[in-house]
Amino acid sequence: QSVLTQPPSVSGAPGQRVTISCTGSSSNIGAGYDVHWYQQLPGTAPKLLIYGNSNRPSGVPDRFSGSKSGTSASLAISGLQAEDEADYYCQSYDSSLSDVLFGGGTKLTVL
Amino acid sequence: QVQLQESGPGLVKPSQTLSLTCTVSGGSISSGSYYWSWIRQPAGKGLEWIGRIYTSGNTNYNPSLKSRVTISVDTSKNQFSLKLSSVTAADTAVYYCAREDWVSGSYFDYWGQGTLVTVSS
Repeated sequence: QSVLTQPPSVSGAPGQRVTISCTGSSSNIGAGYDVHWYQQLPGTAPKLLIYGNSNRPSGVPDRFSGSKSGTSASLAISGLQAEDEADYYCQSYDSSLSDVLFGGGTKLTVL
Repeated sequence: QVQLQESGPGLVKPSQTLSLTCTVSGGSISSGSYYWSWIRQPAGKGLEWIGRIYTSGNTNYNPSLKSRVTISVDTSKNQFSLKLSSVTAADTAVYYCAREDWVSGSYFDYWGQGTLVTVSS
């Protein structure tokens, strides 16, 4: 079980808004470490989607947004599109483990 | 545009050493702003960070793998490498190399396409 907890799956219809949570603890997200998000389309390498909690790399649509509060972070996807169907991972750092951490991943299904 | 490409054997026997190389193009591995990492993903499972190396040769490893992992860098070839010893079937995974931007917050901004390594006799 991952130290960063994500829901195994979420779903939404085209055009809707979905959120994916990433819950940590006082030794990682709660300690102030940044949270980053990745999108992994089937059969491909992960792609950086959000860095530094809420920043989008060049080329990432503004439909994707990130936030962080306390020991949790969230990824929101608005205006859901079929091509958004993918696995999404959060990533942070844990001071007690001295380790880069990934969440367990969330599979987004576009209905 | 930075590109990373993994290479190495796709099949390794149990108890042997897994060896992979990541070749970086479109940028220098000697840039001081980045770490160079290995990450793996067993089929159908999540991502696991293995370790990282800095251009100086300084390394950090996942504590759960530390006793079996060695990451090295060859700046003359713009490459870095992974060795994982005493492998078992549990080490079967897609192995990715990635660039980690440590200045801006330690995230992985460029990834290789990944290479599948199967541990089997």
